[in-house]
Order: sequence, then C-alpha cells, then structure tokens
Amino acid sequence: KQEVTQIPAALSVPEGENLVLNCSFTDSAIYNLQWFRQDPGKGLTSLLLIQSSQREQTSGRLNASLDKSSGRSTLYIAASQPGDSATYLCAVTLGSARQLTFGSGTQLTVLP
Amino acid sequence: DGGITQSPKYLFRKEGQNVTLSCEQNLNHDAMYWYRQDPGQGLRLIYYSQIVNDFQKGDIAEGYSVSREKKESFPLTVTSAQKNPTAFYLCASSIVRNQPQHFGDGTRLSIL
Repeated sequence: KQEVTQIPAALSVPEGENLVLNCSFTDSAIYNLQWFRQDPGKGLTSLLLIQSSQREQTSGRLNASLDKSSGRSTLYIAASQPGDSATYLCAVTLGSARQLTFGSGTQLTVLP
Repeated sequence: DGGITQSPKYLFRKEGQNVTLSCEQNLNHDAMYWYRQDPGQGLRLIYYSQIVNDFQKGDIAEGYSVSREKKESFPLTVTSAQKNPTAFYLCASSIVRNQPQHFGDGTRLSIL
C-alpha cells in the first residue's frame, strides 16, 4: 500500500528565507504528484502538479521537483513571506488505483 | 463564480443520529469525492463518483453512505454506525478522474 510521508511536521522560518519541504512515497509507480496548500479551517488549493514523466514544475516563487526512482519530491519556496504561512500537503496518484494518497502535511510559519 | 459549496460549515450530531453533509458544484465536473481529515493528518478517501448514478467506496467507507442523483450534487450521510465521526470533511471535484481536484471549504462535524 502506498504511504506518503512529509517531514518535518512543522517549520518556522524568518521572512525572506528560501526553504524546502520534503515528501517521500513508498511506491514509485505513480501517475502524478501534487502539492497543495491548506489554510486553517479551509479546503485545499492545488499549487503544482507534476506528471510522472516530468522532473519539475514551477509557478512563481514555487518550484516542485520529482525523483521517482528515490520516491521523493521537494517543494522549494523562494523569498518566503508571512502570507505563505499554511499547511502544505503532497499527494500522489498511483498508476493502478488512480486515487490520491495524501501525506500528513508540513505546517509552515513565516515570521515577519 | 464557479466552485464547490459545502454546507453547513459546522455541524453537530447527537449519539445515534444520522446527518447529511451537502456538496454542490457548478464546474460541470463529472467526478466528485469525499475525504475525511483528522487533526495533524492527511486526507483519507471515503467515497468517490465518476459519473451520475455511480459511486465507489474509498479507503474508509464504513459508516458512511452517498448518492449521486445529479451531476452537481454529491451528499454524504454520516450514519450512526460511524463510531468516531468527529472530523473535518472535504468534498472535491474534477473534470474526470485523475485530473486536478478542486476542493470546497469543508464541514466540521462534532458530536454532542
């Protein structure tokens, strides 16, 4: 069964820092991987989606990479801002099951 | 504006009572999903529907039921058989299965 792990569970950084969030998964036969943002008491907003054939995706200050062979993905946030404070979740879609399996998230706090 | 509407935002249930959570979308999406999120954890799939009048169990379907009589609507009933229903419930939809999912703002269910 696919398991998705995100470390650390929580992270605090000062404003302006570049930071990396980590996601690992146990089954490399994924269809795609997504990074989501969740604000307190809210639903999820999709940030980036990487297909299994891709190595990375970029959107503004966000860059997500995918290494299927090692079962890892990273989300890089450049020049962090207090507005980036939220929980970041990664989720993978297995090629066979075609449903999302989520990690438990990293709660990010960017201090002004 | 197009989107997913979940109601109510907060819901309280008495012991032995069934409650129904509403999810409506005007995105013309075929696929809809229900997830459960417990504190500090990722999302777990309860049920999903790929098309009207069709739905499939997810990983934690026991104690829940759904219907999909209209394309726009995918209500979730939490039955008295669900022994630990306190959680945050999220509804999502996608154009078809495997495409990026759009999420509602969730319903928080608590037991009185």
